Amino acid sequence: GENVEQHPSTLSVQEGDSAVIKCTYSDSASNYFPWYKQELGKRPQLIIDIRSNVGEKKDQRIAVTLNKTAKHFSLHITETQPEDSAVYFCAASNYAGNMLTFGGGTRLMVKP
Amino acid sequence: SAVISQKPSRDICQRGTSLTIQCQVDSQVTMMFWYRQQPGQSLTLIATANQGSEATYESGFVIDKFPISRPNLTFSTLTVSNMSPEDSSIYLCSVGGGGYGYTFGSGTRLTVV
Repeated sequence: GENVEQHPSTLSVQEGDSAVIKCTYSDSASNYFPWYKQELGKRPQLIIDIRSNVGEKKDQRIAVTLNKTAKHFSLHITETQPEDSAVYFCAASNYAGNMLTFGGGTRLMVKP
Repeated sequence: SAVISQKPSRDICQRGTSLTIQCQVDSQVTMMFWYRQQPGQSLTLIATANQGSEATYESGFVIDKFPISRPNLTFSTLTVSNMSPEDSSIYLCSVGGGGYGYTFGSGTRLTVV
């Protein structure tokens, strides 16, 4: 089955700096890669996703890049703000209705 | 995307008892997924629930411990049976795939004492 690894497990940045979180996956059949933000005590919320026919996607301060050959994808957050502090999860799926396999999570702390 | 109502939101249960968690979706979906999130950990898939067939369980999870019902295309339940403190976790249902993103219920925070 699919295996998703996520790094780093914790990340501390100064407000205004950029943050990058990286994930690798094992199953070449995976073609859908979402990123979720989970605040304390809340459900995971989808913040951005990318499909395997696209190399990069951007939504305001958030961008995701995908390298299918290397089987890795990354989340980039620019101009970080304290409200970006949360746990971020990457995931992978073959998007045919199959389940998501999650990475281990990254706790992002943005210091004001 | 679909909206999921999950209940209860939290419960404290005695060991040896069972708890049934319900998820109601506002649209018909083929697959529903049940995840467990242990404290400070990532989400782990328990099983996939299809309407009209038995749920498919992931390695490490068995039907006797986590029976699932899926009576129609908008509803599913997960029961945590014969609970022990190790079952204390957040349980989440999810729907998705097939052309749209995956969404989650609000979660059930279970504490077993």
